[in-house]
Amino acid sequence: AQKITQTQPGMFVQEKEAVTLDCTYDTSDQSYGLFWYKQPSSGEMIFLIYQGSYDEQNATEGRYSLNFQKARKSANLVISASQLGDSAMYFCAMREGPGANSKLTFGKGITLSVRP
Amino acid sequence: NAGVTQTPKFQVLKTGQSMTLQCAQDMNHEYMSWYRQDPGMGLRLIHYSVGAGITDQGEVPNGYNVSRSTTEDFPLRLLSAAPSQTSVYFCASRRSASFYNSPLHFGNGTRLTVT
Repeated sequence: AQKITQTQPGMFVQEKEAVTLDCTYDTSDQSYGLFWYKQPSSGEMIFLIYQGSYDEQNATEGRYSLNFQKARKSANLVISASQLGDSAMYFCAMREGPGANSKLTFGKGITLSVRP
Repeated sequence: NAGVTQTPKFQVLKTGQSMTLQCAQDMNHEYMSWYRQDPGMGLRLIHYSVGAGITDQGEVPNGYNVSRSTTEDFPLRLLSAAPSQTSVYFCASRRSASFYNSPLHFGNGTRLTVT
C-alpha cells in the first residue's frame, strides 16, 4: 500500500486564485511529520511547509497553508493568490517517528499550471 | 553558503561502466541520503546515513553502494551501470537525524543516462 497518495494528475489554476493540492497518507504511528516540496522546471527541490502530527493548528508559511485533517489522514496544500511562478510539480512527503533511522517517503507528485 | 553540492550535473554512461556521484554538504548535517526520481514514481530512497561510518539501505538499493567516511561527504557508486539506472539522482541532508521536523535540504540533482 502506498504511504503517500497524490491522485490529481495535473491541476490548473487562474493567476491570483487559490488552489488546493490533495495528499492522503497511511501510517499507524502516532508521531509523524508531513512535508510539502516544490520542484520547478529547473529541477531543484524546495521545501515549502511542515506539519507535525501533534500540531494542533494548521501550518502556514506565507501564501502556503496546510489543511491538516488527522482523522481523515489528509494533508492538503493550499496556495493562495497563485502566481505564475507557482507553476511546478509539488510533492507531499511523510516522515514516520522521531528515530534517527526514520525516512522521508514521497508521493508521486502533482503538476500545477498557473494560467495568466 | 553552498548547502548540498552534487557533481556532476549530467553524465552519460555505457552499460557496464561504473561511476561515482559526489555529494558534499557544509551544514554539519548528521543525516544524508540519496534519492532517485523517475517520471510518475516520485522520489525513492536508495541509501541513507545517520552519521559518519553508518549507512543503511533504502527502498531501491540494488546496484548502488555508499560510504560515509566524513560528516560532509556521501558519495554514491554505481557498480555496473544498467539502462534501468537512467534517472535523476538527488542527494539530501538534514540537520539532525533525530528531530523529525527538520526538513531535507536537496542538492540540484544529477541527470544520469545509461545507454
